[in-house]
Amino acid sequence: AQSVTQLDSQVPVFEEAPVELRCNYSSSVSVYLFWYVQYPNQGLQLLLKYLSGSTLVKGINGFEAEFNKSQTSFHLRKPSVHISDTAEYFCAVTLPTGGGNKLTFGTGTQLKVEL
Amino acid sequence: GAGVSQSPSNKVTEKGKDVELRCDPISGHTALYWYRQSLGQGLEFLIYFQGNSAPDKSGLPSDRFSAERTGGSVSTLTIQRTQQEDSAVYLCASSLVGTSPQETQYFGPGTRLLVL
Repeated sequence: AQSVTQLDSQVPVFEEAPVELRCNYSSSVSVYLFWYVQYPNQGLQLLLKYLSGSTLVKGINGFEAEFNKSQTSFHLRKPSVHISDTAEYFCAVTLPTGGGNKLTFGTGTQLKVEL
Repeated sequence: GAGVSQSPSNKVTEKGKDVELRCDPISGHTALYWYRQSLGQGLEFLIYFQGNSAPDKSGLPSDRFSAERTGGSVSTLTIQRTQQEDSAVYLCASSLVGTSPQETQYFGPGTRLLVL
């Protein structure tokens, strides 16, 4: 079975600084990878996804992520964060076949942007 | 257009009572998913509907949990004889076709359930 690890439960960062949120996955087969963001009292919103092809994926709100197969990682980055980026970020995987479309999530990383 | 809506937004119940949680997917979306978000377990999959049938119920934690979907639209998640460990945010999501895991799942705001 596949699993996702987000080692950082909280990441504090100052506004306009760069940030990286780490995600590692475990799977014996290829996976699709996703990053979702959850703002307070809201549902999850897709930031970006990696299906195949270019390992650098660009998403909404200036975020990007890089798929690294050898390191089984899919870290999320933003070169300059804003206060409005304060939210919880979830990395997720699903199987291309036989997975039933269900997403397996990491435990989330709370990004707190400070002035 | 309207997104996924869930009701109620908050529910407080007493241990042992039954509760029903409702999900209205995005109009035209064939696939519907239920997830649970709790402090101890994180975000976990419960059940997936393709139309009115549920090909994957593997995440339902016990036989106290059931879900149905009628008319290929609205879904209801029912928890019988609620326990305190059922306290969580229950999230619903929908996707257009549901036959491909490439599809984006669109999430509702969730129902926050508190069992006293």
